[in-house]
Amino acid sequence: GAVVSQHPSWVICKSGTSVKIECRSLDFQATTMFWYRQFPKQSLMLMATSNEGSKATYEQGVEKDKFLINHASLTLSTLTVTSAHPEDSSFYICSALDRGSGSAYNEQFFGPGTRLTVL
Amino acid sequence: GQQLNQSPQSMFIQEGEDVSMNCTSSSIFNTWLWYKQDPGEGPVLLIALYKAGELTSNGRLTAQFGITRKDSFLNISASIPSDVGIYFCAGPKEKLTFGTGTRLTIIP
Repeated sequence: GAVVSQHPSWVICKSGTSVKIECRSLDFQATTMFWYRQFPKQSLMLMATSNEGSKATYEQGVEKDKFLINHASLTLSTLTVTSAHPEDSSFYICSALDRGSGSAYNEQFFGPGTRLTVL
Repeated sequence: GQQLNQSPQSMFIQEGEDVSMNCTSSSIFNTWLWYKQDPGEGPVLLIALYKAGELTSNGRLTAQFGITRKDSFLNISASIPSDVGIYFCAGPKEKLTFGTGTRLTIIP
């Protein structure tokens, strides 16, 4: 149980185009999902918290108009990188919060990541 | 903001060796998590620690929650090739903060 998928697993796009990444919780409902970004040889950095039915909360320094987040259902959150540029090339990872996981804290389950390359 | 520093940054070991790594924080955590990330994948939870001083094992992995609640340690015994990857500590508060990571490489 507690499987999170991401689509696509990798994408290459031209500078100036927009790219949408999907994050799905396959076997549980997730009112909260998170989007992380990971540059090569670095740690995961939280970009934003996605809440079902409401606006996302962005971390300091993350442009909300550039990284559009939509959490329209309890199993799907999307991240759209608008007008992508080469510096946006990174590994984007989502996670979904399973409040019913039975663990002592609210456990996050991570997707396999999406590698974005902007030419 | 809070920072989680891991050491060593990278390790090069031979198969069969034991591995030790640690994670220190500038602030107190009530829960410590250890994750492993394989190349091109998302992180997977290995061990969760809930109590200061707690020692928890998961197969060949053993992790300890430091008494000060500002550090944690992860040991891997008798390493095997599939142990290769990046190990992250993480501390959950209102958000999850990841450590800087320890990259483990096994030399053939």
